[in-house]
Amino acid sequence: TQLLEQSPQFLSIQEGENLTVYCNSSSVFSSLQWYRQEPGEGPVLLVTVVTGGEVKKLKRLTFQFGDARKDSSLHITAAQPGDTGLYLCAGSARQLTFGSGTQLTVLP
Amino acid sequence: GAGVSQSPSNKVTEKGKDVELRCDPISGHTALYWYRQSLGQGLEFLIYFQGNSAPDKSGLPSDRFSAERTGGSVSTLTIQRTQQEDSAVYLCASSLARQVPSYNEQFFGPGTRLTVL
Repeated sequence: TQLLEQSPQFLSIQEGENLTVYCNSSSVFSSLQWYRQEPGEGPVLLVTVVTGGEVKKLKRLTFQFGDARKDSSLHITAAQPGDTGLYLCAGSARQLTFGSGTQLTVLP
Repeated sequence: GAGVSQSPSNKVTEKGKDVELRCDPISGHTALYWYRQSLGQGLEFLIYFQGNSAPDKSGLPSDRFSAERTGGSVSTLTIQRTQQEDSAVYLCASSLARQVPSYNEQFFGPGTRLTVL
């Protein structure tokens, strides 16, 4: 069974701070996706990374796929209250394997 | 509709009863997925439909769970003889045909919150 571990599980920060969320596995994935989910809604795709070492930027969000394609990180610069939500990583194998998520709260 | 819709949005049932959850995918999406999410947790894959191919049922937790997809569009997830541990949010997603190595984007519905008393 391929497992994805996310850390931290919970993160509460002040507006303007930077943060990094980690997604780790002992398994290799052909690609990795990051989603954000808000209460009462389904997850929404933020990015897909495919190549080992790949870095993608989406405004204040920077996503990196590990060289060995076993891990990934999400870095948010100058967090805003609108960034609040559950961040999920998902590795592509036979089906998508989701991590347990990081609940981010950005306080104004 | 513009997105994936699910009904009902909330379902409260008694232990031992059967429930049916419905998913209407985005028109033209050939792939349809069901997931289960416990409070504040990640998603657990249940079942996957792709066109006319046999569904991937590898994630169904027990034989009490089954799903159908009629006419390549609407899908129904059925849970028989519900148990309290079945309480969760059931999410449906659809996408265009999958490509290897990366998945096409999955578009999720808002989910059905199931509570088994």
